[in-house]
Amino acid sequence: EAQVTQNPRYLITVTGKKLTVTCSQNMNHEYMSWYRQDPGLGLRQIYYSMNVEVTDKGDVPEGYKVSRKEKRNFPLILESPSPNQTSLYFCASRDGRVHEQYFGPGTRLTVT
Amino acid sequence: AQSVSQHNHHVILSEAASLELGCNYSYGGTVNLFWYVQYPGQHLQLLLKYFSGDPLVKGIKGFEAEFIKSKFSFNLRKPSVQWSDTAEYFCAVNALGSNSGYALNFGKGTSLLVTP
Repeated sequence: EAQVTQNPRYLITVTGKKLTVTCSQNMNHEYMSWYRQDPGLGLRQIYYSMNVEVTDKGDVPEGYKVSRKEKRNFPLILESPSPNQTSLYFCASRDGRVHEQYFGPGTRLTVT
Repeated sequence: AQSVSQHNHHVILSEAASLELGCNYSYGGTVNLFWYVQYPGQHLQLLLKYFSGDPLVKGIKGFEAEFIKSKFSFNLRKPSVQWSDTAEYFCAVNALGSNSGYALNFGKGTSLLVTP
């Protein structure tokens, strides 16, 4: 089954404790991205990657890092999380020729 | 950067009422347009999309949307809503050829509540 998976689905952590949210897709898509969803703000893109070892900033990259060492994986790294990064995070992937994005189930992160 | 505006933030309808959710975008070039739905506690699912051709597109669950290029609009419609349509709806635009051509720009969402 074609899908995008994220782990963990729920995470509560404390300020400053490094964390990684994993994202994996099994569709051999070149393009992957991370979004955060906040009430009243919709979805905003954090980072995207057009292929292995190619990443770029989205609209709200501050406080986040990503890496793309393999085509299927695109982890989101928060080196020093802060409470304003409490949000719902979605990973998405897309074939380079087709513009429809497939979304993962989401990761709800709470930083206290 | 391109922007996407959804005019209604919260909509409450009775079952069987007709629905129209507005979406406008600001980009003069070629666009791909999408409507996504997010049911409570779930991830985003694609309702429908427009790439080219017939500007009236039909999606899943009886939804349709019309692309009006002159108005930069892509409004979502459904003739008769059901309680199960209660969800958040997002309009999204992919501005082809722009410097953010790979990004999907989302509106802020419209929360729809359908009452029995």
